[in-house]
Amino acid sequence: DAGVIQSPRHEVTEMGQEVTLRCKPISGHNSLFWYRQTMMRGLELLIYFNNNVPIDDSGMPEDRFSAKMPNASFSTLKIQPSEPRDSAVYFCASSLAGLSTDTQYFGPGTRLTVL
Amino acid sequence: AQSVTQLDSHVSVSEGTPVLLRCNYSSSYSPSLFWYVQHPNKGLQLLLKYTSAATLVKGINGFEAEFKKSETSFHLTKPSAHMSDAAEYFCVVTLDGNQFYFGTGTSLTVIP
Repeated sequence: DAGVIQSPRHEVTEMGQEVTLRCKPISGHNSLFWYRQTMMRGLELLIYFNNNVPIDDSGMPEDRFSAKMPNASFSTLKIQPSEPRDSAVYFCASSLAGLSTDTQYFGPGTRLTVL
Repeated sequence: AQSVTQLDSHVSVSEGTPVLLRCNYSSSYSPSLFWYVQHPNKGLQLLLKYTSAATLVKGINGFEAEFKKSETSFHLTKPSAHMSDAAEYFCVVTLDGNQFYFGTGTSLTVIP
């Protein structure tokens, strides 16, 4: 199994530009999570999907952030317009059913730098 | 309200000595508890989890943790630290209703 796949692994962009992060969950997993990790705030859950439907997006910082999951094998996290404070490592994770007992499997992360 | 507290932001041990990483949670319900490890520039990897079965849980790489309901704790231990154990460790509590809470992490340094 290839595990959770994220692309790109690194992204450097300028303030004001649109950024799109991509995630392919493990095949057969029905839940997908987006996290952001920074030194200041640690690991934060941004949003998670169950069966392609957003269940909880209360962690999304503001309207500049949006996430979609058009099908079971693909999700995007978009930031438009990006700001320097968005610089962080963004992780995608998936789990079998999104139950509280399920293990989450994390991707390698996308390191975003906004200049 | 904070649902999970990792008491130490940084722990330093000598190679071959025991490791103790502390985690306390607050919950009115029966939680599921996890420990994840993150090596530098890597994603998080599951070490072990407790889901209301045996209270002493054994994980990968010689780690184990004990769920103590009376103390609301789920401390992670290892009898003998190895250099490869140097990493960031996260305690995670999940509650019914798909509520996920990550601790702030404990950075483990292993001194040769």
